[in-house]
Amino acid sequence: KQEVTQIPAALSVPEGENLVLNCSFTDSAIYNLQWFRQDPGKGLTSLLLIQSSQREQTSGRLNASLDKSSGRSTLYIAASQPGDSATYLCAVSNSGGSNYKLTFGKGTLLTVNP
Amino acid sequence: GAGVSQTPSNKVTEKGKYVELRCDPISGHTALYWYRQSLGQGPEFLIYFQGTGAADDSGLPNDRFFAVRPEGSVSTLKIQRTERGDSAVYLCASSFGPEDTQYFGPGTRLTVL
Repeated sequence: KQEVTQIPAALSVPEGENLVLNCSFTDSAIYNLQWFRQDPGKGLTSLLLIQSSQREQTSGRLNASLDKSSGRSTLYIAASQPGDSATYLCAVSNSGGSNYKLTFGKGTLLTVNP
Repeated sequence: GAGVSQTPSNKVTEKGKYVELRCDPISGHTALYWYRQSLGQGPEFLIYFQGTGAADDSGLPNDRFFAVRPEGSVSTLKIQRTERGDSAVYLCASSFGPEDTQYFGPGTRLTVL
């Protein structure tokens, strides 16, 4: 059974800092990996999706990397802003017929202080 | 265009009651999913619809939970004889197909007293 772990559970940084969020998964037979953002009372917003054959994806100040063989992904946020404060969730889908089923970690609660 | 919408946004009920949670997917999306997010946890998969049929209901916790999508658009998640442990945020998502990006709604927060 796929298990996803996110470290740290919470992170507080001053505005302007660069930061890294970590995600690990136990089964390397993944179809893709996604990073989501969740704001209180709102749904999940997909930030970056990395296919299993890819090593990284970038969008603006966000960069996500994937090392499938070691079961790890990182989300790098450059020049953090207070508006980045949210919970960040990592999710993987497994290959082999059920690639629609996302397995999530518990998330990292990020607070960026002005 | 409109995103995924869910109603109600909040539902408070008493133990033993029956509840229905509604999901309106993005127009044209044939795939629809329900997830449940308990406090402090990530969302957990419940069920996946492709069109009108439940293609995978392996995540439903027990037979008190049931979901339908009779016309291949709107879906309703039904919970019978609610228990306090059912309290959670129920999230709905939709996508064009099962391999495409899933777009999530804001969720329904269910509280069972």
